[in-house]
Amino acid sequence: AQSVTQLGSHVSVSEGALVLLRCNYSSSVPPYLFWYVQYPNQGLQLLLKYTSAATLVKGINGFEAEFKKSETSFHLTKPSAHMSDAAEYFCAVSYTGNQFYFGTGTSLTVIP
Amino acid sequence: SQTIHQWPATLVQPVGSPLSLECTVEGTSNPNLYWYRQAAGRGLQLLFYSVGIGQISSEVPQNLSASRPQDRQFILSSKKLLLSDSGFYLCAWSAGNNQPQHFGDGTRLSIL
Repeated sequence: AQSVTQLGSHVSVSEGALVLLRCNYSSSVPPYLFWYVQYPNQGLQLLLKYTSAATLVKGINGFEAEFKKSETSFHLTKPSAHMSDAAEYFCAVSYTGNQFYFGTGTSLTVIP
Repeated sequence: SQTIHQWPATLVQPVGSPLSLECTVEGTSNPNLYWYRQAAGRGLQLLFYSVGIGQISSEVPQNLSASRPQDRQFILSSKKLLLSDSGFYLCAWSAGNNQPQHFGDGTRLSIL
């Protein structure tokens, strides 16, 4: 079955430290991959998307993600965490249809 | 630019009462439309999606229904709410298959 897995439901980093949020997908066909951020009591905001062009994708707010086919991964990174990065992050995958499959989310805490 | 509006932002309803949540999109035509539910601390569950007027696909059997009376209007309804219907409901649109989904600000539904 097509799906996406986010390893680690909670991640804590110190302010200024590297942020790494993990996402792995399972697919027998080339995927389209997305990362979203959700702040409390708000909808999801698109951070970045991979659509089979460059494997390193840059998004908003200094985030980027690298598509690694050999590892079936699409991890989200940011070199230096800010307090404002504290939020819930969702990885999502789409294939040939019009549906998205979302991961269960990773809650990011930034420690001052 | 495209915008998506979802209302109300919060709603408190008694068990057994009806429900109507509305979502409208502006600035685009013939969008794919989606309704999701997000339970506390969990990921997104796709409830319904629509690729055109009057075309509704249901992903999860339940006491909820959806309708698309106009191209850019998507309504989530129930005749009798259950306690288990509590949650955060999100509407989203996309320009087509494998395109990013764009979310509304959500409706927090509490059933008493």
